[in-house]
Amino acid sequence: SQQGEEDPQALSIQEGENATMNCSYKTSINNLQWYRQNSGRGLVHLILIRSNEREKHSGRLRVTLDTSKKSSSLLITASRAADTASYFCASGHSNTGKLIFGQGTTLQVKP
Amino acid sequence: ETGVTQTPRHLVMGMTNKKSLKCEQHLGHNAMYWYKQSAKKPLELMFVYNFKEQTENNSVPSRFSPECPNSSHLFLHLHTLQPEDSALYLCASSQEGRGESDTQYFGPGTRLTVL
Repeated sequence: SQQGEEDPQALSIQEGENATMNCSYKTSINNLQWYRQNSGRGLVHLILIRSNEREKHSGRLRVTLDTSKKSSSLLITASRAADTASYFCASGHSNTGKLIFGQGTTLQVKP
Repeated sequence: ETGVTQTPRHLVMGMTNKKSLKCEQHLGHNAMYWYKQSAKKPLELMFVYNFKEQTENNSVPSRFSPECPNSSHLFLHLHTLQPEDSALYLCASSQEGRGESDTQYFGPGTRLTVL
């Protein structure tokens, strides 16, 4: 199985609610990144958290990292219809410099 | 706009055709990547170039042939493709593709359909 498995695969919420997405990975990382993709478009970088960090904020985004559990979560607070997109975690590996992407979580925010 | 452009945005080709995808980055980065995104599958890394040198070929079939003439341009030459190669092909760039895993900046992708 692959690195960066995400859960849930799909999430549907009402505008104003919070959305939480989780990601797990298998081997050591130097950072973990979250990206967003609108339908049929390229990925846009949202936030990067380094392996020695536990929590990071950017606007309405909050990312946590638990290296002991090899997991990360992305929280979007006070969601908006414009947040509707697919969200991917990507684990960054120090020995290769590569990013390994998960399958993504599809978020639908209903107005 | 992320500073990475891709052309064409859509491409339909027959299995006997030869075509090329083009990617250009205006960010001064030294690493460029090709990814394949198929429905219900994770993003698959295909090729990595660092300072114009290919540093990764992820067991990609030879019907896909990359070319990186300089740090700003990346091509993917396609020939005798199969219908299962239909996908969204994404190009990305980062400051450097070794060591620390840098943030990657993606182009909008080329939607490829092979008939």
